[in-house]
Amino acid sequence: DQQVKQNSPSLSVQEGRISILNCDYTNSMFDYFLWYKKYPAEGPTFLISISSIKDKNEDGRFTVFLNKSAKHLSLHIVPSQPGDSAVYFCAATGRYGQNFVFGPGTRLSVLP
Amino acid sequence: NAGVTQTPKFRILKIGQSMTLQCTQDMNHNYMYWYRQDPGMGLKLIYYSVGAGITDKGEVPNGYNVSRSTTEDFPLRLELAAPSQTSVYFCASSPEKGISNYGYTFGSGTRLTVV
Repeated sequence: DQQVKQNSPSLSVQEGRISILNCDYTNSMFDYFLWYKKYPAEGPTFLISISSIKDKNEDGRFTVFLNKSAKHLSLHIVPSQPGDSAVYFCAATGRYGQNFVFGPGTRLSVLP
Repeated sequence: NAGVTQTPKFRILKIGQSMTLQCTQDMNHNYMYWYRQDPGMGLKLIYYSVGAGITDKGEVPNGYNVSRSTTEDFPLRLELAAPSQTSVYFCASSPEKGISNYGYTFGSGTRLTVV
């Protein structure tokens, strides 16, 4: 039973356009969320986080939105660049610092 | 600044063989983790450690063992390799458990194939 779901295995976007990656979760105890980015043959690297006290967090071209009632979060990348082509993982944890639970990832391809 | 270092990067094992995946971090992090990633799946936690001498099982511990004799090192042992253990293994560390502004620092992974 996947507690963190990323229902789109892949996404292709033109350079300069917006990329929207989605993540859904089932555990209502989750209240802290991270996005990781992973290039081939490398480990995941931290991208951006959000806690449940916020509904939006922004860092440069990356913005994460959280809809707690829908148990849904999304990562927006604007504008998308070819260097953003990677696998993006959503991860979640509860307020008491339990270990993170990871989604299966979405492969983003930004086409020049 | 090395971060988290994993060795080897690639390994092919025969069924029934054993091996140790090495993981070292130089950030003085208390928490360390071993994950495996299978195709189309998220990272699954195998074992974790909250400090030297303390380890605990994660979601998928069967077939693996760990030890944590120092803060820096967290090796993962496979005793009797099975084809189901073919995967990419990631070691990670963090200064604290779970909630952190910067998440985990991951190594570059070990791709293991059991034939």
